[in-house]
Amino acid sequence: EPEVTQTPSHQVTQMGQEVILRCVPISNHLYFYWYRQILGQKVEFLVSFYNNEISEKSEIFDDQFSVERPDGSNFTLKIRSTKLEDSAMYFCASYRDRGNGYTFGSGTRLTVV
Amino acid sequence: SQQGEEDPQALSIQEGENATMNCSYKTSINNLQWYRQNSGRGLVHLILIRSNEREKHSGRLRVTLDTSKKSSSLLITASRAADTASYFCATHSGNTPLVFGKGTRLSVIA
Repeated sequence: EPEVTQTPSHQVTQMGQEVILRCVPISNHLYFYWYRQILGQKVEFLVSFYNNEISEKSEIFDDQFSVERPDGSNFTLKIRSTKLEDSAMYFCASYRDRGNGYTFGSGTRLTVV
Repeated sequence: SQQGEEDPQALSIQEGENATMNCSYKTSINNLQWYRQNSGRGLVHLILIRSNEREKHSGRLRVTLDTSKKSSSLLITASRAADTASYFCATHSGNTPLVFGKGTRLSVIA
């Protein structure tokens, strides 16, 4: 069964450093998402991406965050200057069209120290 | 805002028993989805029910949707220890992204 692949599975970074989280969505999917989940809390929407541009973003997705689809397959989330409160699991998801559930990756656990 | 909220927050049952989790939301939806998350792992899509459907089955899972009450339930029959996980409902409406509830932590004791 096709999978959404995320790398790395775990990243530890110093506060103020930039991190790039990578995702390879399913190849024929058209809609891409980043969500995050702070430990023990709910899954929160960050940003959606369609047709090579951001289609919607949440209040969490401020100027510190950016997304790219640099080569037509990878989908990246960049955090420019990490803060302690950015520590969370970050999930990439994709789907092809309505009526289907999202396929989530297994997540990247980001720890900011 | 549109939001799924599950109850109970935590549920502990014996293996072989049925587990029922409920979800309420606030605005009209296109569909409602249930996901499972093992501790520290990713989200796995379980089942999707459209707004014009009232009940759906998948293996040991049964989902109901009552749009008049803006609520859904997930029933897991004949539970197993391997069903231990957190279960989330998520609502989808129009072009907005999925909105998740806080989840129910299910513990199935062997």
